[in-house]
Amino acid sequence: EIVMTQSPATLSVSPGERATLSCRASQSVSSNLAWYQQKLGQAPRLLIYGASTRATGIPARFSGSGSGTDFTLTISSLQSEDFAVYYCQQYNKWPPYTFGQGTKLQIK
Amino acid sequence: EVQVVESGGGLVQPGGSLRLSCAASGFTFSSYAMNWVRQVPGKGLEWVSYISISSDTTHYADSVKGRFTISRDNAKNSLYLQMNSLRAEDTAVYYCARSNPICYALRCFYYMDVWGKGTTVTVSS
Repeated sequence: EIVMTQSPATLSVSPGERATLSCRASQSVSSNLAWYQQKLGQAPRLLIYGASTRATGIPARFSGSGSGTDFTLTISSLQSEDFAVYYCQQYNKWPPYTFGQGTKLQIK
Repeated sequence: EVQVVESGGGLVQPGGSLRLSCAASGFTFSSYAMNWVRQVPGKGLEWVSYISISSDTTHYADSVKGRFTISRDNAKNSLYLQMNSLRAEDTAVYYCARSNPICYALRCFYYMDVWGKGTTVTVSS
């Protein structure tokens, strides 16, 4: 089973600033990596797939990068609606699909 | 509008059974594989089960193997999860999620692009 590790667990950033979230896989997942945003009481929302492709309707301030074992989600200028929990998930080698434990992005 | 809507959650005693449903609309359900994913309140996401388009392939997380059964009815645009021998640790919000393929190098890989709002299962005496 591929273990996904996200860092940091909590990130405090001011609105308008840049946020950088990290995700590491225990073995290569090529570019088969997705990022999800989850707000309190809501379902996960797909942001990025293929490590760097934005899903339909996702603003350009969200970008993904990386391949192999190390990945990054960058939010270029934080808006109030971006404060949420973010999960990475690999879909390269499954079952099982595996998720990171999440990074909580909170207002500084 | 593309959407999936879960139902069937509730309170059940340990050892009991429950059947979850997921109704799909706005897309050709029979063209997509589907999944169940769960989330313990305040915790992360855990993939539970997968079913292929024609139901010929199913996969389960080790934590539910032998107790849960995934199925689908393409004529009814519906996905199901039969949960038996329920345990307290099965308490969670259960999400239905569509698998969308991305194909390259003669292989296809499946990410989950459409999620429902979830249905809550509580296992308690």
